[in-house]
Amino acid sequence: SQQGEEDPQALSIQEGENATMNCSYKTSINNLQWYRQNSGRGLVHLILIRSNEREKHSGRLRVTLDTSKKSSSLLITASRAADTASYFCATDSNDYKLSFGAGTTVTVRA
Amino acid sequence: KAGVTQTPRYLIKTRGQQVTLSCSPISGHRSVSWYQQTPGQGLQFLFEYFSETQRNKGNFPGRFSGRQFSNSRSEMNVSTLELGDSALYLCASSLEGHGYEQYFGPGTRLTVT
Repeated sequence: SQQGEEDPQALSIQEGENATMNCSYKTSINNLQWYRQNSGRGLVHLILIRSNEREKHSGRLRVTLDTSKKSSSLLITASRAADTASYFCATDSNDYKLSFGAGTTVTVRA
Repeated sequence: KAGVTQTPRYLIKTRGQQVTLSCSPISGHRSVSWYQQTPGQGLQFLFEYFSETQRNKGNFPGRFSGRQFSNSRSEMNVSTLELGDSALYLCASSLEGHGYEQYFGPGTRLTVT
């Protein structure tokens, strides 16, 4: 079973626009992580936010975490064609595994 | 540092056969995890090893097994293959396991015919 659920399932935006995707989860967590996957390849780690943090930035990425609502969001600003990928949230609940959501497929149109 | 490597990258097997997949973690990483990715089920956790000990196992039948060697390299084995085992198998390594980001290999694409 999957812990996280992403919303929306798919997103299509113009180059230069911002993309926002959300993740909801069910149980308490140690941290929440976001990953990117291009065309069925391996996952690339984007950002890790711990349960006691509310917001984190990395380059054009901004992640927020609301543990009271058990939700997180990933914002990609000024999107580029290279951002076209699937994005996954994954929760770490101190049980030596990551539980992934179904992912959001982002398409950036030139 | 070299990234996580997985071999082989592609594999075609017949139902009933068995398969062994290999994963070499990033140097210094002691935790290795395995995930199965399919279009229908998404990313599912298989197992995690740390210092040759399995610390957690996902909800998969006993046909799926794994092990970790003293140099942290890991293998997973699937016996009596079924058509539903066709998937991308991803290995990830991290420093200690939980609490740290995981670094994924390119995956092994297994097709069972």
